[in-house]
Amino acid sequence: ETGVTQTPRHLVMGMTNKKSLKCEQHLGHNAMYWYKQSAKKPLELMFVYSLEERVENNSVPSRFSPECPNSSHLFLHLHTLQPEDSALYLCASSQDRTPNTEAFFGQGTRLTVV
Amino acid sequence: DAKTTQPPSMDCAEGRAANLPCNHSTISGNEYVYWYRQIHSQGPQYIIHGLKNNETNEMASLIITEDRKSSTLILPHATLRDTAVYYCIVRVNSGGSQGNLIFGKGTKLSVKP
Repeated sequence: ETGVTQTPRHLVMGMTNKKSLKCEQHLGHNAMYWYKQSAKKPLELMFVYSLEERVENNSVPSRFSPECPNSSHLFLHLHTLQPEDSALYLCASSQDRTPNTEAFFGQGTRLTVV
Repeated sequence: DAKTTQPPSMDCAEGRAANLPCNHSTISGNEYVYWYRQIHSQGPQYIIHGLKNNETNEMASLIITEDRKSSTLILPHATLRDTAVYYCIVRVNSGGSQGNLIFGKGTKLSVKP
């Protein structure tokens, strides 16, 4: 248990659906991250939020839309996804973005797009 | 960003020490070395991190060479549950990407009975 909780753990959605992934932490952290891990590939950093402001967007398609309403919650809104978007989506948080603060990951949401 | 190089796979006998190497020859003076591991289909687990000095915690020890160009993660008594992919990461310390953890392919450690 890392203190970072992701829901749902598994999600199957059609290409025309709209769904949202949720990440929650009550560690008092101010930075939150979304990562994508496709099969047999390294984790790819998608979005970075610091103090509820998006500070990085690594060329992620607009069908992925993040939202950080407060420092404890992070969402990833999904719409019109493609089958190649099927992956493990991981959320992480850290106290801040200074390099001496460890980041903790949730268990991820396994997404399947059909 | 500093890059890391790790062997793709390693084996270790149960109960023996597992020594996982990592090269980071382009590391900058203020960049930290982090180690995470990922057991199949779970979220990465933080293990340890360090800057210059060797570090030890309840999970592992981190040995960083004096020139900081390489490091070794040591699991003192490996168990079957330590089978995982281990990632060595140099954490960015400046610019717009400050604090980002950029993962490579890691080392697949297999602990065998």
